[in-house]
Amino acid sequence: AQSVAQPEDQVNVAEGNPLTVKCTYSVSGNPYLFWYVQYPNRGLQFLLKYITGDNLVKGSYGFEAEFNKSQTSFHLKKPSALVSDSALYFCAVRDVSSNTGKLIFGQGTTLQVKP
Amino acid sequence: GAVVSQHPSRVICKSGTSVKIECRSLDFQATTMFWYRQFPKQSLMLMATSNEGSKATYEQGVEKDKFLINHASLTLSTLTVTSAHPEDSSFYICSATTGAYQPQHFGDGTRLSIL
Repeated sequence: AQSVAQPEDQVNVAEGNPLTVKCTYSVSGNPYLFWYVQYPNRGLQFLLKYITGDNLVKGSYGFEAEFNKSQTSFHLKKPSALVSDSALYFCAVRDVSSNTGKLIFGQGTTLQVKP
Repeated sequence: GAVVSQHPSRVICKSGTSVKIECRSLDFQATTMFWYRQFPKQSLMLMATSNEGSKATYEQGVEKDKFLINHASLTLSTLTVTSAHPEDSSFYICSATTGAYQPQHFGDGTRLSIL
């Protein structure tokens, strides 16, 4: 069965420090992976995607993610966190059984960046 | 680019009322739109997938007669919650995509409160 796991409910970092939000996936075949961010009472904003190619994907707002096939992981990273990065982050994988682009989401990780 | 507008942002109404939520892709034509429901501090639950000119595909456990979806054009999908009851209170979010391998772009959600 396909799935996405975000093992941490919350990640706390100090402003200026690097941050990592973890994501692992289980899918048959090549994965199509996405990261989204959600601010309170808002929809999700697309950050980045991995389809194929370089394992290090760069996205919006200085975020990047590293695809690791052997570890089936797609961790989100940023070299220097900002207080404004505090939000709810979702990792998602495309449902390979669907031809519509349906996504399977992780449970979300709350990132708290403290000044 | 890739802006999705969702309206209204908040609805408060009495039990038994039907509520219509609109989802528009403003600067692109969406081959597919999705409707999600999100409970507090939880991930997104896909309710249905909608393609222009065809019947929506509902996820298991979602009542299609309760949650009516119309996808009239490549830029507009609507979700009507019929005869809403307090248990239908939730945050409803739509998304739109230009293709099965492209990111989904999300509206800002509708907070529905049924009294």
